[in-house]
Amino acid sequence: GQNIDQPTEMTATEGAIVQINCTYQTSGFNGLFWYQQHAGEAPTFLSYNVLDGLEEKGRFSSFLSRSKGYSYLLLKELQMKDSASYLCAVPDSNYQLIWGAGTKLIIKP
Amino acid sequence: IAGITQAPTSQILAAGRRMTLRCTQDMRHNAMYWYRQDLGLGLRLIHYSNTAGTTGKGEVPDGYSVSRANTDDFPLTLASAVPSQTSVYFCASSTSGGGSYNEQFFGPGTRLTVL
Repeated sequence: GQNIDQPTEMTATEGAIVQINCTYQTSGFNGLFWYQQHAGEAPTFLSYNVLDGLEEKGRFSSFLSRSKGYSYLLLKELQMKDSASYLCAVPDSNYQLIWGAGTKLIIKP
Repeated sequence: IAGITQAPTSQILAAGRRMTLRCTQDMRHNAMYWYRQDLGLGLRLIHYSNTAGTTGKGEVPDGYSVSRANTDDFPLTLASAVPSQTSVYFCASSTSGGGSYNEQFFGPGTRLTVL
C-alpha cells in the first residue's frame, strides 16, 4: 500500500531557511507533488518532481531521492506569508493522488 | 467565472437529509475530483472523473455519489447524511487524469456540518 509521512508542525524565524521532509512508500513511483495550503483556503500547487535531484523555483526548492523514498521542500528567506500547511502527495496505482497529512509551518518574527 | 467554483460555501445539515454539493469549472479540464479534508488527516479522495461520462471510486466513496454529465460540472451527493460526513469538501480539476500527472486546481471548499 501507500504511506506518506510528514512532520505535523514546524516553527521557523522570518528570514531564515526551513526544510520540510516527506517520506513515502509506494508500489510504483510516478512522481511527487508539493502543495501549499493557507488556513481556511484551498491547496495550491508548488512543485512536481519525478527525477532525482533538486529543482529550484525562486525561494522554494524541492528535492527528490527515489531510492530513499524521500523528498524535501526547502523554503529560503522566509516571509510571514509563508505560514501555511505544506502537503506532500504521490500517485497511487490508479494514478490518483495519495496525500500526506501536511506540515503546518509557523513563522515567527 | 474563472477557475473552479463550489457551492454552497458552508452548510449545516440534519442527519438523514440529502445534500448535493456543486462544483463547476470553466477551464475545460477533462479530469475532476472530490476530496474531503479532516483535521489531522490528509486530503482523501472520494470520487473522481477522468472525462465527461465516466466516474471512479476513490479511497472513501461510501455514502457519496457523483455524476459527470458534461465537462464543466461534477456534483457530489450525500444520499442520507451522517455526522461522520462533517468535513471540508474540496473539488479539484486537472487537464487530464488517468496516467497524466498534471497540477490539480482546487475550488474554495464547502464546509459541511451534519448534526
